[in-house]
Amino acid sequence: KAGVTQTPRYLIKTRGQQVTLSCSPISGHRSVSWYQQTPGQGLQFLFEYFSETQRNKGNFPGRFSGRQFSNSRSEMNVSTLELGDSALYLCASSLLLRGETQYFGPGTRLLVL
Amino acid sequence: DAKTTQPNSMESNEEEPVHLPCNHSTISGTDYIHWYRQLPSQGPEYVIHGLTSNVNNRMASLAIAEDRKSSTLILHRATLRDAAVYYCILRHRSYSGTYKYIFGTGTRLKVLA
Repeated sequence: KAGVTQTPRYLIKTRGQQVTLSCSPISGHRSVSWYQQTPGQGLQFLFEYFSETQRNKGNFPGRFSGRQFSNSRSEMNVSTLELGDSALYLCASSLLLRGETQYFGPGTRLLVL
Repeated sequence: DAKTTQPNSMESNEEEPVHLPCNHSTISGTDYIHWYRQLPSQGPEYVIHGLTSNVNNRMASLAIAEDRKSSTLILHRATLRDAAVYYCILRHRSYSGTYKYIFGTGTRLKVLA
């Protein structure tokens, strides 16, 4: 069974631009969560989607948004990029909304110049 | 929010047991304790989880204090492939019934040959 895939793996953007990251969960998994990882703040929860609805949200500004499609694939969007948005963005999938085990993808490394 | 505290780094000799501690003094009664590890250039990988009782699986053992304010991940025989950052995480259930993962800063484990 294929693991969680994320595209693109690397991305360079400039301040003020917007970016969309994609995540394909493990087949059959219906919950997708997004995390931001930076050297200073570590891993921080962004949001969780289940059945195309955002079920849970972390403490991030409204510039960070996401959505989930009927096939459980998810996208995350960051608008008006700031230098501090440079990070590794990780996607994790689990079977159910209250999944006890999350399976992480390799991440998308975003650099904002 | 509950939080976890871990030592920044630890060292172990190959083939010896490793005990990785975690403090979570503000844990709630319904919070599960999870451990994940992250190898270089990869997303976090599930290791083990528990609620109140000690747990064993093929990767590790989890010892949970009776008051649940601390836990210890035990790798019975460390190998070079176990060198990673180990995260102690609380799977926190909010009053609204939603769940989120609260990551600690992690312990970087170095295994010496």
